[in-house]
Amino acid sequence: DAGVIQSPRHEVTEMGQEVTLRCKPISGHDYLFWYRQTMMRGLELLIYFNNNVPIDDSGMPEDRFSAKMPNASFSTLKIQPSEPRDSAVYFCASRPGQGGSGANVLTFGAGSRLTVL
Amino acid sequence: GQSLEQPSEVTAVEGAIVQINCTYQTSGFYGLSWYQQHDGGAPTFLSYNALDGLEETGRFSSFLSRSDSYGYLLLQELQMKDSASYFCAVRPPGGRNRDDKIIFGKGTRLHILP
Repeated sequence: DAGVIQSPRHEVTEMGQEVTLRCKPISGHDYLFWYRQTMMRGLELLIYFNNNVPIDDSGMPEDRFSAKMPNASFSTLKIQPSEPRDSAVYFCASRPGQGGSGANVLTFGAGSRLTVL
Repeated sequence: GQSLEQPSEVTAVEGAIVQINCTYQTSGFYGLSWYQQHDGGAPTFLSYNALDGLEETGRFSSFLSRSDSYGYLLLQELQMKDSASYFCAVRPPGGRNRDDKIIFGKGTRLHILP
């Protein structure tokens, strides 16, 4: 398996623009997580899905952020409109369901580094 | 509330042993994990403790004591490539599938001196 695939790896945009980050989890993994990493706040959980259904979005900072998982192999995180304080590295991660081996092991994608000017 | 506390930085010498501590304040959890992250890279899984005690994987060991709300990662025979950030993580309890999320401490930056 190619692992968790994220795109784009780097994004530079201007304040007010829409940003869409994409993630393809490992095939067969039931859980998908979106995290944001900054020096000040560390790794923050934004939202996670189980079998394509959003379970907990309490970490989503505000209404400008939204996430979808239309099928088992694809998820998006959208920021509209973007602001400079959204600059961070956004990681997607996946793991198997409770009955599978490695259910306690998160596999991360390489991350998307977002810079909002 | 749920929080994980780790030292922000630790410095050690190549070839030595270093311990990175993690204390937590949660009402309960399902296990303690450790992840390693090199600069510019993604976190990668190192170890998981479901039960109290010591888990050993090569040069790395991880320990958990639920009664003390404490765990640590022990790195032996330090190598320069071990210079990285190390994160502890837990699955806090919740209702209706909400116990499946994983939250992370802010990480400990390990500096290794030659």
